[in-house]
Amino acid sequence: AQTVTQSQPEMSVQEAETVTLSCTYDTSESDYYLFWYKQPPSRQMILVIRQEAYKQQNATENRFSVNFQKAAKSFSLKISDSQLGDAAMYFCAYRRGGAQKLVFGQGTRLTINP
Amino acid sequence: DAGVIQSPRHEVTEMGQEVTLRCKPISGHNSLFWYRQTMMRGLELLIYFNNNVPIDDSGMPEDRFSAKMPNASFSTLKIQPSEPRDSAVYFCASSLAGGTNEKLFFGSGTQLSVL
Repeated sequence: AQTVTQSQPEMSVQEAETVTLSCTYDTSESDYYLFWYKQPPSRQMILVIRQEAYKQQNATENRFSVNFQKAAKSFSLKISDSQLGDAAMYFCAYRRGGAQKLVFGQGTRLTINP
Repeated sequence: DAGVIQSPRHEVTEMGQEVTLRCKPISGHNSLFWYRQTMMRGLELLIYFNNNVPIDDSGMPEDRFSAKMPNASFSTLKIQPSEPRDSAVYFCASSLAGGTNEKLFFGSGTQLSVL
């Protein structure tokens, strides 16, 4: 079975600095997708960024980018120029190609220090 | 579009009572998912539907849990009888299945407390 591991239960960063959240996954599939979701105190799960496994180029969305290391099965999220509104739980998730089920990691709580 | 709509936002009930959680997916979406979030187990998929048909219910914890999707715009998750260990946040999510750009949209969740 596929598993997703986030080894950092909590992280903190100074406002305007850069922070990297770690995620590793285990799969024997070659076709899959990886995601980062943000869950602010409002509880809503918001998609931050996604990466297709067949793409070598790392996905970016404004201040958010990923470092996708397929051989190492690593998928870290980098947040540049951190803002107070980035404070949230961040979840890494995996979906096998052709499937619809998302498997989530345990989450990392990110605190932004003003 | 208003997004995925769940009700109620909070539910407090006593052990043994029946609980019904409701979800309205995004119009046009053909897949609907129920997830449960707890501190101990994180986010778990309970069940999902494609075109109103249950596809995978292997995550449903036990017979006390049941889910229905009578039409494309409505789904329910029922717990009967409820137990304190069912206390969690229950999320509904929907997507338009197929294609490489499939994205999952979540509702705001229902915080369930069983006393």
